[in-house]
Amino acid sequence: KAGVTQTPRYLIKTRGQQVTLSCSPISGHRSVSWYQQTPGQGLQFLFEYFSETQRNKGNFPGRFSGRQFSNSRSEMNVSTLELGDSALYLCASSVGTGQNTEAFFGQGTRLTVV
Amino acid sequence: GDSVTQMEGPVTLSEEAFLTINCTYTATGYPSLFWYVQYPGEGLQLLLKATKADDKGSNKGFEATYRKETTSFHLEKGSVQVSDSAVYFCALSDHGSSNTGKLIFGQGTTLQVKP
Repeated sequence: KAGVTQTPRYLIKTRGQQVTLSCSPISGHRSVSWYQQTPGQGLQFLFEYFSETQRNKGNFPGRFSGRQFSNSRSEMNVSTLELGDSALYLCASSVGTGQNTEAFFGQGTRLTVV
Repeated sequence: GDSVTQMEGPVTLSEEAFLTINCTYTATGYPSLFWYVQYPGEGLQLLLKATKADDKGSNKGFEATYRKETTSFHLEKGSVQVSDSAVYFCALSDHGSSNTGKLIFGQGTTLQVKP
């Protein structure tokens, strides 16, 4: 069974540009969550999607957005990139949603903003 | 809001030593608790979980007990191996978010095991 797949693995962008990251969940999983990991702030929740609907959103500016498609694949977009957006972006999928649901993480996309 | 606090690392141990990584939490209600492990260049893998007070989660020789009275979920292993070297994250499910899978993580503890 394939795991959570994130593409691309590495990305270098210039300040002011925008970027789109992709996440393909495990087959049969309908929930996708996104997290930002930085050395200073650690792991922070961005948003969660379930059946194409955003269920929850973290405390990030509106430059960060996401969506989920009917096949459960998800994308997140960051517009007007800032140096501080450099981070490892992790996607997690789960069968459903709720506090007891086990989340499976992808390997992440390493974004560097220069 | 809910939060998780882990002991600061790095933790350096010799092979076969006993491991404890402390984790305490603040939460309203009754969250589920998790330990995740991250190996270099990888995403997070679920190590173990506990969903209610006094539950003990265990996996690959690691174990942790959900202690509601002390709001703790300390990770232990009796005999560590070099292959256990990684970053360990304690996390809780955000009970305040209605029926979502949002996780709140501690800052992570780096474990280095020397031969």
